[in-house]
Amino acid sequence: GENVEQHPSTLSVQEGDSAVIKCTYSDSASNYFPWYKQELGKRPQLIIDIRSNVGEKKDQRIAVTLNKTAKHFSLHITETQPEDSAVYFCAYGGSQGNLIFGKGTKLSVKP
Amino acid sequence: NAGVTQTPKFQVLKTGQSMTLQCAQDMNHNSMYWYRQDPGMGLRLIYYSASEGTTDKGEVPNGYNVSRLNKREFSLRLESAAPSQTSVYFCASSLQEDYGYTFGSGTRLTVV
Repeated sequence: GENVEQHPSTLSVQEGDSAVIKCTYSDSASNYFPWYKQELGKRPQLIIDIRSNVGEKKDQRIAVTLNKTAKHFSLHITETQPEDSAVYFCAYGGSQGNLIFGKGTKLSVKP
Repeated sequence: NAGVTQTPKFQVLKTGQSMTLQCAQDMNHNSMYWYRQDPGMGLRLIYYSASEGTTDKGEVPNGYNVSRLNKREFSLRLESAAPSQTSVYFCASSLQEDYGYTFGSGTRLTVV
C-alpha cells in the first residue's frame, strides 16, 4: 500500500544548529510533497511544500529538497531556535488525491 | 475568516453511545477530510470528500460514517463508540486534491 517512511522519529539539536528530517515514499506518481509543523496541543500547520517539477524550495530558514528518482524528500531547518521545537510531518499526495502522512519527527531545540 | 471550525473541542462518551463531530470551512474549498491522530501513529485518514456530493473511505473507516452536507460542512458520526476510538480527530480542507490542507483545531474524544 501507499506509505511514507519518516526518519528520525526524534531529533535533539542545540540552538543555532541545523536539523534535517528525511522521508521516503512508495508511490512514484506523486506530484505534491508538503511539510507540516504541529506544536504541542495544536493543529498541524503547513510550513512549506514542493511539487515534482522543482528540486528544491527555500523559505527563510527552512528548505525542502526532492529526489523523485530515489523517491525521497527532506526538510532542512537552519539556525534552529527554541520555537522550532515541535513535531514535523512529511506527506505526499496519494493516488486517491488525499495526503499520506509520515509518523512524525519530534524536534527539540535546546537553548 | 475562521478557516476550519470543529466542534466540540472535547468529548467523553460511554461505550456504545453515538455522537457527531461537526466541521465547517469558510474558504470555499472543494475537498474535506477527517483524520485521527494517535501517539506514534501520525495522521490516519478516516474518510474524505473530494467534492460536494462525494465521499470515500480512507485508511481506517470502520466504525465511522460521514456526511458532506454542503460545500462548507463535513460531519463525522460514531454510531456506537468503542474505547479504540479514543483519539484526537482533525478535520481539514483543501482547495482541491494535491493542495495544502488547512486543519481545524481538533476534537479530543475519550471513550470509557
